[in-house]
Amino acid sequence: QTVVTQEPSFSVSPGGTVTLTCGLSSGSVSTTYYPSWYQQTPGQAPRTLIYTTNIRSSGVPDRFSGSILGNKAALTITGAQADDESDYYCVLYMGSGIWVFGGGTKLTVL
Amino acid sequence: EVQLVESGGGLIQPGGSLRLSCAASGFTVSSNFMTWVRQAPGKGPEWISVIFSGGTIYYADSVKGRFTISRDNSKNTLYLQMNFLRAEDTAVYYCARGSIVARDYYFDYWGQGTLVTVSS
Repeated sequence: QTVVTQEPSFSVSPGGTVTLTCGLSSGSVSTTYYPSWYQQTPGQAPRTLIYTTNIRSSGVPDRFSGSILGNKAALTITGAQADDESDYYCVLYMGSGIWVFGGGTKLTVL
Repeated sequence: EVQLVESGGGLIQPGGSLRLSCAASGFTVSSNFMTWVRQAPGKGPEWISVIFSGGTIYYADSVKGRFTISRDNSKNTLYLQMNFLRAEDTAVYYCARGSIVARDYYFDYWGQGTLVTVSS
């Protein structure tokens, strides 16, 4: 059973920088898992932020960036804004038509 | 403009069946891979099924043997037939369009979801 791990919660000050991570219960996340990141506010559908590790989806501000940090995928928000307060989910593509979502990180901007 | 509109959710008794629809516009469902993702109340999303443009289908273990994904190209609509429903299937069900970049398969557009509640 593959488990994708994320910090349950994080807080950042307005204008600050925060890095959310996405790991595997066993093993390392690399670009071969093609990590993607999705933002979701309560009652709304997910919104695609990042795919293929570090490519921003159309219309996503450049304060959002993706990378691999050590053995995890990472989503960095630089210059956080109030409306960045959301849940953030990473997804890893395991191949053979199988995707696994992480448990999500609830980001508070205060 | 790409749009996905789900329908068919509702209250259903355990053991019952339901068919969800996802009407697509702005693109052709048969040209992209399409997925269903569900989100139980207060939980994170869970990928449950995919149909690729060539027709190959996969399911998560949690729904294998009970759910069937399909599409109607003439209606440009994706479906999810759900049988033998259980309380733990209660969730908002989203359809999402997939895109392929090199060897990456990711979800680029999402519908607004339809709520399925399994309860007696």
